[in-house]
Amino acid sequence: AQSVAQPEDQVNVAEGNPLTVKCTYSVSGNPYLFWYVQYPNRGLQFLLKYITGDNLVKGSYGFEAEFNKSQTSFHLKKPSALVSDSALYFCAVRDVAAGNKLTFGGGTRVLVKP
Amino acid sequence: NAGVTQTPKFRVLKTGQSMTLLCAQDMNHEYMYWYRQDPGMGLRLIHYSVGEGTTAKGEVPDGYNVSRLKKQNFLLGLESAAPSQTSVYFCASSYWLAGGVDEQFFGPGTRLTVL
Repeated sequence: AQSVAQPEDQVNVAEGNPLTVKCTYSVSGNPYLFWYVQYPNRGLQFLLKYITGDNLVKGSYGFEAEFNKSQTSFHLKKPSALVSDSALYFCAVRDVAAGNKLTFGGGTRVLVKP
Repeated sequence: NAGVTQTPKFRVLKTGQSMTLLCAQDMNHEYMYWYRQDPGMGLRLIHYSVGEGTTAKGEVPDGYNVSRLKKQNFLLGLESAAPSQTSVYFCASSYWLAGGVDEQFFGPGTRLTVL
């Protein structure tokens, strides 16, 4: 069965500093990986995805993520965090061999302080 | 485009009552999904549909039923609500692309409290 782990419940970072949100996954086949962001009282918004190809994926709002197959990781990064990046971030994986269902991690709350 | 909309936004039920949550999408997506979100548990898939007239069970289907009579609508029903069903419910939809579906688009959520 596929699974996703986000080891940090919360990440605190000062505005202007680099931001990293960690994600590791487990699948039986080739993974499709996604990052979503959720702002307070809102639904999830798509940030970026990895399907195949370049291991560094660029997405919305200046975010990027690096796929590392040997470490089964897909960490989300932003070079310079903004206060407006404060939100809940979810990593998700779809195992192509297991159909089209998406499995989400538990989420990481990001707090960017001015 | 309105995207994915959900009705109602908030609801309070008493144990044993029934209700239906409505999800509508105007993007002509084939796939639609119902999730519940509970603190620290991410989103868990309740039921999903790969097309009009089809439904399938997800990770936590017990206590819920769904119907997809029209391509643009996906209904989630609770026949006899229980306090354990207190949660925030999200509907999502997506295209189907060769090799796997595309990213999912989410509605704003329905906050349900069962007393």
